[in-house]
Amino acid sequence: SAVISQKPSRDICQRGTSLTIQCQVDSQVTMMFWYRQQPGQSLTLIATANQGSEATYESGFVIDKFPISRPNLTFSTLTVSNMSPEDSSIYLCSVEYPAEEQYFGPGTRLTVT
Amino acid sequence: AQKITQTQPGMFVQEKEAVTLDCTYDTSDPSYGLFWYKQPSSGEMIFLIYQGSYDQQNATEGRYSLNFQKARKSANLVISASQLGDSAMYFCAMRGFYGGSQGNLIFGKGTKLSVKP
Repeated sequence: SAVISQKPSRDICQRGTSLTIQCQVDSQVTMMFWYRQQPGQSLTLIATANQGSEATYESGFVIDKFPISRPNLTFSTLTVSNMSPEDSSIYLCSVEYPAEEQYFGPGTRLTVT
Repeated sequence: AQKITQTQPGMFVQEKEAVTLDCTYDTSDPSYGLFWYKQPSSGEMIFLIYQGSYDQQNATEGRYSLNFQKARKSANLVISASQLGDSAMYFCAMRGFYGGSQGNLIFGKGTKLSVKP
C-alpha cells in the first residue's frame, strides 16, 4: 500500500483568504485525486491530477477556485481560494497504488469563519 | 452513469456479533472494482477491502469479508466479531475501468455503525 501524508491536518481560516493543502506520497503514482467531504456528507471528487498535465475538474468545481499543482509523481497541492463558510469541509487526497487499490491521506479539516 | 446505494443510514450491533452493511451498485462498465472504507470520527478514510468484478471468490481481509453477488449488483460488507473500535462511518465505493474513467471512486452515502458493549 501507499503511505500518504497531508498538511495541514486542520486549519481555521477567515473568509476571503486562501489555503494550500499539500499531499505527499511515498511511491511514484500517475494519478492523484482530490475529494471534498462536506459536514455529514459523502465524498465528492474535485479533480484528478496527472503529473505533467492540467488537472481535470469535475462539474461544479473550477480551476480559479481550486487550483491544483502536480510538480512530480509523489506530490500535489490543492488551494482553496477566496474561502467562504461553505468551503468548510474535510479535503482528502488519494492515489491508486498498487494497481486497483486506492488509499487516502489523513485529510485536512478546514473551518472557514 | 455509475451509482452506489447504501440504504442503511445507521446500524447497531452487539459487541462480538457479526454485522452486514448493505451496498448495491449500478454501472454499465464490463469491468469495475468495489471498495469499502471505514471513517472514524477523526476523518481519515481507512481502506478495508477490495473486490474486482472479475474475481471469482469473495474478498476477505481479517474480520472483513465482501459478499459479492454480481447478478444482484450487491457488494455487502460483513464484519465478524464486532469490536467497540468498529464504531464508525462505512462507505462503499466503486471504480470503473472503461468509459473514460480516470480511476476516481464513486461513493455511497455511508452507514454509521455503532457497536454496543
